[in-house]
Amino acid sequence: SFELTQPPSVSVSPGQTVTITCSGDYLGDKYVCWYQQKPGQSPVLVIYEDKKRPSGIPERFSGSKSGNTATLTISGTQAMDEADYYCQTWDSRTVIFGGGTKLTVL
Amino acid sequence: EMQVVESGGGLVQPGGSLRLSCAASGFTFSTYEMNWVRQAPGKGLEWVSYISSSGSTIYYADSVKGRFTISRDNAKNSLYLQMNSLRAEDTAVYHCVRESSAYGRPFDYWGQGTLVTVSS
Repeated sequence: SFELTQPPSVSVSPGQTVTITCSGDYLGDKYVCWYQQKPGQSPVLVIYEDKKRPSGIPERFSGSKSGNTATLTISGTQAMDEADYYCQTWDSRTVIFGGGTKLTVL
Repeated sequence: EMQVVESGGGLVQPGGSLRLSCAASGFTFSTYEMNWVRQAPGKGLEWVSYISSSGSTIYYADSVKGRFTISRDNAKNSLYLQMNSLRAEDTAVYHCVRESSAYGRPFDYWGQGTLVTVSS
């Protein structure tokens, strides 16, 4: 079955740049979305169509994809960015989420 | 203001049934595909089911196929999830989620969720 693989955790110092990867077979042929989920809150869409930002999402959030790996980049990371991040795509008639990455801002 | 509000969660015994509802407002519900996504305590996101805007096309995750039924009433701006033969592993917060028409079909709006606990 199709799976999306993310690192369980990453850490970053405030003001630095952090990347979170998401890999999966044939991901290069699919659109990838990214969601941010803070404790006790519902997920929020931060990137769609691999690299587009919804209105209201800060410019420090960006997305890219190379081959079968998608990457979420947060530039100038702030303490408020500490959260779980999930990648997601559609595989035929099924929605697939990555396992999630916990971002810690040290 | 755009809003989706889930209800119907609660404690149910294994093998029991529950019906979740989602009331939508602030957007033209009948033109949007909708989904249910769940999250077990301390775990990641798991997609449960999809329904097209008209209700004519429906998909399910393998984990719930044959036990759960998604439906909608566009006249009432409401989405439903009938859950039968519930198992302990169905314990989760269930989110009603709107699907955007953008490429890749992102989930652009999530409700706060309703907690379903399956336990004896």
